[in-house]
Amino acid sequence: QQPVQSPQAVILREGEDAVINCSSSKALYSVHWYRQKHGEAPVFLMILLKGGEQKGHEKISASFNEKKQQSSLYLTASQLSYSGTYFCGTEKGQDYTNAGKSTFGDGTTLTVKP
Amino acid sequence: EAGVTQFPSHSVIEKGQTVTLRCDPISGHDNLYWYRRVMGKEIKFLLHFVKESKQDESGMPNNRFLAERTGGTYSTLKVQPAELEDSGVYFCASSPGSLGGYGYTFGSGTRLTVV
Repeated sequence: QQPVQSPQAVILREGEDAVINCSSSKALYSVHWYRQKHGEAPVFLMILLKGGEQKGHEKISASFNEKKQQSSLYLTASQLSYSGTYFCGTEKGQDYTNAGKSTFGDGTTLTVKP
Repeated sequence: EAGVTQFPSHSVIEKGQTVTLRCDPISGHDNLYWYRRVMGKEIKFLLHFVKESKQDESGMPNNRFLAERTGGTYSTLKVQPAELEDSGVYFCASSPGSLGGYGYTFGSGTRLTVV
């Protein structure tokens, strides 16, 4: 079952902040985030393993709350280059049965305007 | 370091024809995955190779799809015969490990259009 991303779309002005959420109904082992620009490959941003850790990548950070089975991606002081579609991918469980098989959300389209 | 390469980037074929997509993963990445995105929907899992072995092919839609990974290097995904609903973008991804901790490196995808 795929994770649910919200919102579906966001429009920002340069310098504004945004939060994208990813929720699952299943217990998660990891959550990973990607950004895809039109016609290009999705680009890996970061991965979070269960344990409630938080990670950062320049002005983009993410948290993972395994109890709530959700992750949030935080974009701070957005830049024009942040525009694209953001996907979360989730790995279920704790064993090799589902290892490597990820389920992706529908994506959140972020548009940053000057 | 070369990324994940997919070929062709676009393919337009008629219903009933055969198409073969190719993916060259990052050298040394034992794990190779095929995903498909249809009509702006989610990126959906097709299958997962560990080296030359199929670890999980539960996402393959039906027996018209055949994936191989010769010698644990490049992989091919053949659709025979193609149907209209097979249209979409087929992504290949690779990673060094399979149990968490690793993100995927995606290729740019092959946009398949069946007419």
